[in-house]
Amino acid sequence: AQSVSQHNHHVILSEAASLELGCNYSYGGTVNLFWYVQYPGQHLQLLLKYFSGDPLVKGIKGFEAEFIKSKFSFNLRKPSVQWSDTAEYFCASNYAGKSTFGDGTTLTVKP
Amino acid sequence: GAGVSQTPSNKVTEKGKYVELRCDPISGHTALYWYRQSLGQGPEFLIYFQGTGAADDSGLPNDRFFAVRPEGSVSTLKIQRTERGDSAVYLCASSSGTDTGELFFGEGSRLTVL
Repeated sequence: AQSVSQHNHHVILSEAASLELGCNYSYGGTVNLFWYVQYPGQHLQLLLKYFSGDPLVKGIKGFEAEFIKSKFSFNLRKPSVQWSDTAEYFCASNYAGKSTFGDGTTLTVKP
Repeated sequence: GAGVSQTPSNKVTEKGKYVELRCDPISGHTALYWYRQSLGQGPEFLIYFQGTGAADDSGLPNDRFFAVRPEGSVSTLKIQRTERGDSAVYLCASSSGTDTGELFFGEGSRLTVL
């Protein structure tokens, strides 16, 4: 069975600080990987995705993620966070149509 | 709108009652998913449909939970003899296919069992 672990439950940063959120997945085969974001009061929405090819993928709002196969990792990064990035972030893997989510990381950005 | 629609947005019921939660996916999306999210946790897979059939129902916790999608569009999640532990946000998502796994989520239905 797939599993996804996110290392940080709650991260607090000041504006302009750099962000890295860890994500590891368990399945050793071919999976598609995702980061979803949930802003306060809104539904989950896609931030970025990796299917194949270039392991460094770029998403919306300046976010990027790097797929490292040897480490089963798909960490999310942003060089300079903004107050509006305050949200909950979920990493997910998909195999054979079934997506498995991590427990999420709550990011609070202080103005 | 063109997004995934879920009703009701909130449902309060008493222990032992029957509940139905409805999901209207994005038009043309063939795959539909149900997830359950408890406080402080990520979405937990329940079931997904490809067309009218349940392609994977391995996440349904027990036989009190059942879901249908009779015409390949709208889906209903049915919970019999509700228990307090069923309290959660039930999320529906749709996808244009299962190849990629990119999901489009609704706002969720918050179920509270007293």
